[in-house]
Amino acid sequence: AQKITQTQPGMFVQEKEAVTLDCTYDTSDQSYGLFWYKQPSSGEMIFLIYQGSYDEQNATEGRYSLNFQKARKSANLVISASQLGDSAMYFCAMRGGGADGLTFGKGTHLIIQP
Amino acid sequence: DGGITQSPKYLFRKEGQNVTLSCEQNLNHDAMYWYRQDPGQGLRLIYYSQIVNDFQKGDIAEGYSVSREKKESFPLTVTSAQKNPTAFYLCASRPSGRANTEAFFGQGTRLTVV
Repeated sequence: AQKITQTQPGMFVQEKEAVTLDCTYDTSDQSYGLFWYKQPSSGEMIFLIYQGSYDEQNATEGRYSLNFQKARKSANLVISASQLGDSAMYFCAMRGGGADGLTFGKGTHLIIQP
Repeated sequence: DGGITQSPKYLFRKEGQNVTLSCEQNLNHDAMYWYRQDPGQGLRLIYYSQIVNDFQKGDIAEGYSVSREKKESFPLTVTSAQKNPTAFYLCASRPSGRANTEAFFGQGTRLTVV
């Protein structure tokens, strides 16, 4: 069974600061993918970034980067230069082995303060 | 524009009634998914389909049913057997066959039992 753990239920961050959202995972699969999604108050899920288990370099997408530490089974999301529009729920998820659907963590509620 | 359309946005149901949530996509994706989200929780997989006329149970399929008669459509029926149906329901799709492709989500349907 796969499991995603996000230990930060909520975070307050000053605008323009960098923020790290924690994610640890548990799987017995060798091949898997890790995803981060943003969910604004409107409810839709917005894809941010992907990291494959065999990727040697950390993924980056604009202001988002993923700090992937395979041995520690962690995949933390780093948002540089935070903006007020970054306030939202953030979910870490994984797809592994033969499973087709995503397994999600419980999320982190990020609030950016001016 | 291509995307996933869920309807209705809000739905109210009396106890004991079945209700069907609509999900349509024009992204030409083979795989489609239904997730349930409870307050303060991550998403949990209800059902998924990788091809027309075939679908698989997810982690919490009891009390739900689906059909996949067309590639574009994956309706979810919440039956009277679902003990606690009040939740936010999200439909997603993605191209199948590649593990590293992200899922695209609809805007969601908020179901309330009255």
